Amino acid sequence: SQQGEEDPQALSIQEGENATMNCSYKTSINNLQWYRQNSGRGLVHLILIRSNEREKHSGRLRVTLDTSKKSSSLLITASRAADTASYFCATDDKVIFGPGTSLSVIP
Amino acid sequence: NAGVMQNPRHLVRRRGQEARLRCSPMKGHSHVYWYRQLPEEGLKFMVYLQKENIIDESGMPKERFSAEFPKEGPSILRIQQVVRGDSAAYFCASSRDRATNEKLFFGSGTQLSVL
Repeated sequence: SQQGEEDPQALSIQEGENATMNCSYKTSINNLQWYRQNSGRGLVHLILIRSNEREKHSGRLRVTLDTSKKSSSLLITASRAADTASYFCATDDKVIFGPGTSLSVIP
Repeated sequence: NAGVMQNPRHLVRRRGQEARLRCSPMKGHSHVYWYRQLPEEGLKFMVYLQKENIIDESGMPKERFSAEFPKEGPSILRIQQVVRGDSAAYFCASSRDRATNEKLFFGSGTQLSVL
């Protein structure tokens, strides 16, 4: 079964707003990674957070990890139309991917 | 340094034919992962290989599917006697080391269409 599960399945926001996506997983992990996929393309790595970290930033991205709840969140601040894509979380064991969150940023 | 190269980009096969999908990992990467993606769905892990070895094939269908990563040349995902349900995008990813603490680099995928 898939290790990571993202929610919501789909999210539509206006440009400039913040977008928050969540990921839940089932077993213990060493790290959790977030990836982005533009339509019809391969995935691009965004950020990796280790199990001993609680929060990590990269540009407009902010990732949190709560190992007690087995969950992570990805926040994209000041969203742009170019952020429109699907976002996936993956855990280190076989790097299993969840079904993803489809983000639409409306100009 | 070229990224992960997959070919062909699109592959059309009739039912019963064989499909061979190729993946050349990034230079210096010896770990390869194959995934399948259906429309509007996430990636399903299929197989993880290291040079000349299959490390984990728990996501591979038991029949008709096989994968290899020879000492020389690309990794090959082979699907024999394809059926319509095999139609999907197949993605390959590579990493320098086992992906436990490494990010994956993905190819652009092969879109397989079975007529």
